[in-house]
Amino acid sequence: DSGVTQTPKHLITATGQRVTLRCSPRSGDLSVYWYQQSLDQGLQFLIQYYNGEERAKGNILERFSAQQFPDLHSELNLSSLELGDSALYFCASSERRDSYEQYFGPGTRLTVT
Amino acid sequence: GQSLEQPSEVTAVEGAIVQINCTYQTSGFYGLSWYQQHDGGAPTFLSYNALDGLEETGRFSSFLSRSDSYGYLLLQELQMKDSASYFCAVRDQTGGFKTIFGAGTRLFVKA
Repeated sequence: DSGVTQTPKHLITATGQRVTLRCSPRSGDLSVYWYQQSLDQGLQFLIQYYNGEERAKGNILERFSAQQFPDLHSELNLSSLELGDSALYFCASSERRDSYEQYFGPGTRLTVT
Repeated sequence: GQSLEQPSEVTAVEGAIVQINCTYQTSGFYGLSWYQQHDGGAPTFLSYNALDGLEETGRFSSFLSRSDSYGYLLLQELQMKDSASYFCAVRDQTGGFKTIFGAGTRLFVKA
């Protein structure tokens, strides 16, 4: 158990809908990272927040947005969902702003039908 | 742009040694990490190299050659539980410190 929690564990929704994924980092960690993992694919970096501020941005679609709240939990919002958005979404956290060692949550499996 | 290449699959026998290679191309290289992911699980951190050379952590070692843009993960005394996917990842400081993951190498350990 990494200490990172993600909810929900599974999510099934229809195309065109909007969902919110939630992540709570390990106690004391200030950085939160979001990744997308499609079937049998590597992890695609989406976005990183550090202490409430956006730190780095990867290949995040405009339909997706994220934020980190004062209590350091983070939410990833996915809107106008398409079939291709079906994937595992991982959240990771680290203590420092730029850390090579990230602790991953169990992931949220999103299925868009 | 940034890219990483690693073999898609490797098969080895229990008790043997296996090496998983990773070559990368990135403009703002800052370090190479390795993660393990079992089926249905979350990635877990294994090792990190910022400087050239070998880092050893128990049965696992990782090597980096920055001049060759190359690294590898060495797994010794293979156990069945080592069957998993292994990802190399580079820390790239271009446009903010992003972690770019390779597509992963699926390791099958046979009895």
